[in-house]
Order: sequence, then structure tokens, then C-alpha cells
Amino acid sequence: DTGVSQNPRHKITKRGQNVTFRCDPISEHNRLYWYRQTLGQGPEFLTYFQNEAQLEKSRLLSDRFSAERPKGSFSTLEIQRTEQGDSAMYLCASSPGRGPGELFFGEGSRLTVL
Amino acid sequence: GDSVTQMEGPVTLSEEAFLTINCTYTATGYPSLFWYVQYPGEGLQLLLKATKADDKGSNKGFEATYRKETTSFHLEKGSVQVSDSAVYFCALSENTNAGKSTFGDGTTLTVKP
Repeated sequence: DTGVSQNPRHKITKRGQNVTFRCDPISEHNRLYWYRQTLGQGPEFLTYFQNEAQLEKSRLLSDRFSAERPKGSFSTLEIQRTEQGDSAMYLCASSPGRGPGELFFGEGSRLTVL
Repeated sequence: GDSVTQMEGPVTLSEEAFLTINCTYTATGYPSLFWYVQYPGEGLQLLLKATKADDKGSNKGFEATYRKETTSFHLEKGSVQVSDSAVYFCALSENTNAGKSTFGDGTTLTVKP
């Protein structure tokens, strides 16, 4: 399967702990996006990369959140000092290139903060 | 900023019924419009798209027409099946923002046999 892969699929953690999610995009896609989705809501944009460069971050992305894409391939999203409000589905998507186009989503990583 | 408003759900239909899910948008520019579908236990996937006014996107019997004058992109299907049960998301993407998309809150469709 050459789709977008995310892991872990589900993470349960205690408040105050750090968590990291990984996303492996479709190999030829140079754009990678992170979104957050809570129950009953649509995906909300967090950040995106063009190759290894992080080009935009949402105001939703507090300083406890950091994302990297060190070699322009896989990406990690780290949340430090988790809070109960961070509980959500974290979605990764990739796209091949220019202009507005289709996003290819992974199945998501569900975070539960106790 | 950009926004997408979908009709509230959930929507429950009998098999072979006609489906309409309304979607309207606000955008600063001239966006492309999309419908994504999320089947139970799966990730979001593109259902159809339209990139300019009066374009009609279609796939799997679903259709939506880009109406610039009413800023709408309503999803329709003439005869739904049980397998169409899913959550449907309307989305837009501006030409100038590198593919970043803004999504509606989704509409849950349940089709009963």
C-alpha cells in the first residue's frame, strides 16, 4: 500500500506527558499537511511543509506543538505537556504539488489525554 | 477568512432515495471546491472536485456544480445505496495558499435498506 501512513493510530497519555506522531506521505508528494479534527467538526489546518520547509503554521498551533520534516520525506508532530483539550484526531495529508488540489489523507492518529 | 457551511446532519434515507447535502462557502479569492467522504474506519478521500464556475464534478453517481453566483457546491445523488453511508465533508482551497484547504463540519449520512 503506497498511501499516507500514520502511527501510532491511537495514543492514550496522561496530562503533562509528551507525545509524538509520525506521518509517512506518498513518496512523490512534496507537500505535507497536518490537521486536527475533533468530534463533530471538520479538519482544522495546523501546519504544512513544502519539502523540508515549514511554510505556514496556524494560530491553533501553540508553542507546545512542533512539527518537523527533516529530509522532506516523513514528518513528526510533537505535543509537549499535553492537556485534556489536546484530545483529538490528528490527520496527516500529502499532495503532489502546485496550486489547490486533492489532499491524500492518512487514517489519523487519535490522541486521548487523561 | 475562508469558511464552509454544510447542512446539519445527521441525514437518514432509505435505499434508492434522492440525496442533497447543501454546502455554501465564503472565500476571499476564487477557490477550488471539493467533496471528501469518510467511510467508517477509514481516512478522508476525495469524492469529487470543481475548479471553476459552472464546472460539474462527478464520481460514483454523485454530482456537484460550482455556483459562483450563490457561492454554493451542493452534493446530489439520484439513488443512494447502503454503501453510501459515510460522513461527507465540503471543502475549499484557494489558488494562492499552496493547497491548504478549509473544511465544513461534515454531514453524516445513513442509508437504510
